[in-house]
Amino acid sequence: ETGVTQSPTHLIKTRGQQVTLRCSSQSGHNTVSWYQQALGQGPQFIFQYYREEENGRGNFPPRFSGLQFPNYSSELNVNALELDDSALYLCASSLAPGIHEQYFGPGTRLTVT
Amino acid sequence: DAKTTQPTSMDCAEGRAANLPCNHSTISGNEYVYWYRQIHSQGPQYIIHGLKNNETNEMASLIITEDRKSSTLILPHATLRDTAVYYCIVTGGGADGLTFGKGTHLIIQP
Repeated sequence: ETGVTQSPTHLIKTRGQQVTLRCSSQSGHNTVSWYQQALGQGPQFIFQYYREEENGRGNFPPRFSGLQFPNYSSELNVNALELDDSALYLCASSLAPGIHEQYFGPGTRLTVT
Repeated sequence: DAKTTQPTSMDCAEGRAANLPCNHSTISGNEYVYWYRQIHSQGPQYIIHGLKNNETNEMASLIITEDRKSSTLILPHATLRDTAVYYCIVTGGGADGLTFGKGTHLIIQP
């Protein structure tokens, strides 16, 4: 059983650009959640995907979007990057929506300059 | 906003039990208490959860008061590797994600 992996580890982008972050969920977990963690803060829920559809969303604008694929992989896309988007982005997989025992990846550190 | 209140930081001597408190006075009947921890530069790690009964697993014990307004996470024999930020989270079912506060920074002293 493999854990949750994320790529890339670090990324530097310029304001206004677009970025795609990737996550591979734990095998058998059909639910993936994405979180943003600013420095010194706890993670903030962005959205959740279940069976390839968005299933719940936190207080994030539409320029944050996602995809989930049948092979337990998923993506977080952020358009029109802003300086405040600089953060650690975490994905977490779980067996089903509403199951809050979630398994987190190591995160992708995004820096926007 | 997080529905929980935790101390900002705590110290504990290595080998001793670490007791981390959490207040959740507005918890409703169908909400669970979850604990996660985050070691520096890693993703959060699930520790334990409970509804109203005390729970124990290989990592920790969770003691929930009878009125469910507070709980304590107990690490029975703390080691240096237990130094981390510990998050107490109250949540019901549904796809609303986990609401993390700022947590308690637990420092285990040698």
